Amino acid sequence: DTGVSQDPRHKITKRGQNVTFRCDPISEHNRLYWYRQTLGQGPEFLTYFQNEAQLEKSRLLSDRFSAERPKGSFSTLEIQRTEQGDSAMYLCASSPHDYGKDNEKLFFGSGTQLSVL
Amino acid sequence: AQSVTQLGSHVSVSEGALVLLRCNYSSSVPPYLFWYVQYPNQGLQLLLKYTSAATLVKGINGFEAEFKKSETSFHLTKPSAHMSDAAEYFCAVSGEGYNFNKFYFGSGTKLNVKP
Repeated sequence: DTGVSQDPRHKITKRGQNVTFRCDPISEHNRLYWYRQTLGQGPEFLTYFQNEAQLEKSRLLSDRFSAERPKGSFSTLEIQRTEQGDSAMYLCASSPHDYGKDNEKLFFGSGTQLSVL
Repeated sequence: AQSVTQLGSHVSVSEGALVLLRCNYSSSVPPYLFWYVQYPNQGLQLLLKYTSAATLVKGINGFEAEFKKSETSFHLTKPSAHMSDAAEYFCAVSGEGYNFNKFYFGSGTKLNVKP
C-alpha cells in the first residue's frame, strides 16, 4: 500500500492555458474523490467516481473542468482556459467502499498546488 | 444538509497545555464525524473518527474527541500540547446515504504551540 499519489506536486501556469493533474488511488479502492482547497479554507468537494463512473459533480465544477477515470484506476482532472481564481490545492482521495474495510474513511494524497499567473 | 462549523480559525497554546479545538456539526442523519490534520504542503491525515460506536473516540498522537449529540459537537482535545502538534486541523462530517464518504469540511483551525 503506497498511499494515494498525485502528480505533479506543483504547477505554475499562465492564465488561459490548460492543465491536467493525475491521481493514483490506493489500488483496491474503488471510490475516488477530487477536492479543492483554497487558502484559509477547508477542502471543498468537486467530484467523485465509483470505479469508472462519475457519480456526482459539484456546482463548483464549471464546464472548464473535466475529470475522468477511464479504467477505474487512476484519474485525471483537466482545467481548460485557466483563470487566476483556479489557483488552489487540488486534493485527491480514495476509499474502499466495501463494508468493513474502512469504507467510511477517505485517504488523501499530498495534493497538487496550482498557481495561475 | 450536512455542514461543519469550526470555532476559532487560530488557536495558540503553550507547550504542555491543554488543546481544545471546537467543532459543531449539522446533519440530517446520524453522522460520521472525523478530525483530520494537515501539515504544511501536505495532504490530510486522519486523526480519529466517530462512527456511532463509543462517544469518546481516541485517535493518534494522544488526541481524542467526544461526540455530544445534544450539543451537536465533536470537539478535539489533547491533554498536553507538543511542539509537533502545530498544524491545521479540520473537522468533517459525512454525507447522507450512498454518499456517506463524501465529506463536508470545516474551514480549519490552525494550532500554534508556543515553547
